[in-house]
Amino acid sequence: DTEVTQTPKHLVMGMTNKKSLKCEQHMGHRAMYWYKQKAKKPPELMFVYSYEKLSINESVPSRFSPECPNSSLLNLHLHALQPEDSALYLCASSEIPNTGELFFGEGSRLTVL
Amino acid sequence: GENVEQHPSTLSVQEGDSAVIKCTYSDSASNYFPWYKQELGKGPQLIIDIRSNVGEKKDQRIAVTLNKTAKHFSLHITETQPEDSAVYFCAASKGTGGFKTIFGAGTRLFVKA
Repeated sequence: DTEVTQTPKHLVMGMTNKKSLKCEQHMGHRAMYWYKQKAKKPPELMFVYSYEKLSINESVPSRFSPECPNSSLLNLHLHALQPEDSALYLCASSEIPNTGELFFGEGSRLTVL
Repeated sequence: GENVEQHPSTLSVQEGDSAVIKCTYSDSASNYFPWYKQELGKGPQLIIDIRSNVGEKKDQRIAVTLNKTAKHFSLHITETQPEDSAVYFCAASKGTGGFKTIFGAGTRLFVKA
């Protein structure tokens, strides 16, 4: 069982909706990540938080807004998404200093209608 | 930046046979090479990794080899079982050098009973 928990597992939203994806880990990791994965493709990095501060934003459109309220939680706020944003959104965590190993959650499958 | 190429994209083997997946990387500064297994509907899970100061690592039926000179690394699965059927991703990162992990395109492994 993964130690990174993501909710919800499935989400369907319209293009005008506002929703959030949530991620929680209790491994004491101080780096947390959002990845996007389209079908039959590898995960693509979106954001990295290090010590609750945004370290990396891979030029992600502003309709995706990450938030790291504390060292255990990571949110991804969604607003005015497009159908092409439909994908599996994966949260991951790692130690700092980063050993390289990523611990992934099971993902939130998002469908934008 | 780093680029990781992975072959084959699909691999079908009979139960009990061996499976080999190969990757090449471009950035000689990469020093950590994990392999992730992703089952249907789940997030990627680390199955084995190797660091650049080691040439080979084995864990029961799986092994990874690394040729730093040629910038090649490979995953070997022996005595394959139906539960080995999944998508496998190789990856490369600089480990403590940052938070970016570059994934290969993935190999879909089918183990036929």
